[in-house]
Amino acid sequence: QVQLQESGPGLVKPSQTLSLTCTVSGGSISSGGYYWSWIRQHPGKGLEWIGYIYYSGSTYYNPSLKSRVTISVDTSKNQFSLKLSSVTAADTAVYYCAAGARLAAAADYWGQGTLVTVSS
Amino acid sequence: QSVLTQPPSASGTPGQRVTISCSGSSSNIGSNTVNWYQQLPGTAPKLLIYSNNQRPSGVPDRFSGSKSGTSASLAISGLQSEDEADYYCAAWDDSLNAVVFGGGTKLTVL
Repeated sequence: QVQLQESGPGLVKPSQTLSLTCTVSGGSISSGGYYWSWIRQHPGKGLEWIGYIYYSGSTYYNPSLKSRVTISVDTSKNQFSLKLSSVTAADTAVYYCAAGARLAAAADYWGQGTLVTVSS
Repeated sequence: QSVLTQPPSASGTPGQRVTISCSGSSSNIGSNTVNWYQQLPGTAPKLLIYSNNQRPSGVPDRFSGSKSGTSASLAISGLQSEDEADYYCAAWDDSLNAVVFGGGTKLTVL
């Protein structure tokens, strides 16, 4: 059973880069076949897909965030990461990491989520 | 404005059957499968239905999904109080090359 845990700063200043890490346990991130995703949820709002990295290394990003997003994998630490640059208050949200083996849009496993607030 | 359209709310009484709709277009639902998530208050979403009508292990058969053309539906039969949650549909969009979500439907069990 794959388990995911997000970690990173809960407070980021405007214009800086938001950096989060998702630690994977119960499975190897390099074992293949998984979509490793980031999804966020603004306070009181719905889900917004940020992007994913496939086990092959290919990445897909939300077009509205593409210019500011990077998702990468560190196989040595069994982690994948999110970097979102030039943040504003509009990036304040709960950030989830998620994973699925079947489809990019069908994530079987989710982290508990971490609230990131953008404020000076 | 979400790419997939869901009603903002739905309700039913215990034991009833309720359905939640999800409307899209030819580039998402029309050409890809639909997935459904349940989000209980204060928790992470949980995959409820994948590939239009498949249930992951552990999901009760009270939950079922269907798709026709550019629309999909989630049906919950034998409604229970613990089904009170937000429900989201999701699909891949070939034009955006992205996963798109519906805006979510808040289900209230009266």
